[in-house]
Amino acid sequence: SQQGEEDPQALSIQEGENATMNCSYKTSINNLQWYRQNSGRGLVHLILIRSNEREKHSGRLRVTLDTSKKSSSLLITASRAADTASYFCATDLGNQGGKLIFGQGTELSVKP
Amino acid sequence: SQTIHQWPATLVQPVGSPLSLECTVEGTSNPNLYWYRQAAGRGLQLLFYSVGIGQISSEVPQNLSASRPQDRQFILSSKKLLLSDSGFYLCARTTVLNTEAFFGQGTRLTVV
Repeated sequence: SQQGEEDPQALSIQEGENATMNCSYKTSINNLQWYRQNSGRGLVHLILIRSNEREKHSGRLRVTLDTSKKSSSLLITASRAADTASYFCATDLGNQGGKLIFGQGTELSVKP
Repeated sequence: SQTIHQWPATLVQPVGSPLSLECTVEGTSNPNLYWYRQAAGRGLQLLFYSVGIGQISSEVPQNLSASRPQDRQFILSSKKLLLSDSGFYLCARTTVLNTEAFFGQGTRLTVV
C-alpha cells in the first residue's frame, strides 16, 4: 500500500495565487520529501524536511511537517504558470537504506 | 554529476515479447538504485530496489525481474510482457547518506 497520500488530487488556480498541497502518511518516518514532475518526465527533488523539523523554506516553497498527525503540506506562494506540474510527497522510513515511498500526487494547474 | 541514463525513451512491444530496460548511474559509487512504475495520471509504484551488486528487493509480485550486474547498472527485465506491464518506468538513485532521489527521464512502455 502507498505510504503517502496527497490531497487534493487536482488543483487549479490563477497566477499569483498560493497553492497548498497536503500529504498524509501511515508509519514513522526519517524524513519526508517533495518532488515535482513535468508531464512525461522524471521527478525532480524540491525539498526535504527531517522528522525533527517542523517547517522549512526554499524560495517560494514552504513545507510543514506534523509528525503527531503524520501529515505534511507544501505551499507554493505567488504561483506562476511554470509551476504547472504534478507534485509528489515521498517518505523515507529510515530503516531500509533510504527507500522512498511515493504518494499518488497532486496535479497543479496554474492559469495565466 | 548526478546523471542517470535510461533508455530507450519510448518502447512499443507486443504481448509475450521479452523486455530489457537499462539504467546506468554516474557520479557516485555504491548507490541505492530503484525501479518505479507510473501508470497514467497516478503515483509511483516501487517495483525493485537494490543496495548493492546482486542485491535485489522486490516490492510487489509481478511479471518483472531486476538485476544489478555492476555497481552503477540496474536492469529491468521480463521474459513475456503482459498488457498490464504498460506504463512509465523510472529509474532512480539515492545514497545511504543522502536520501534525496535523482531520477532518470523514464521509459514509456506500451505493450500491444
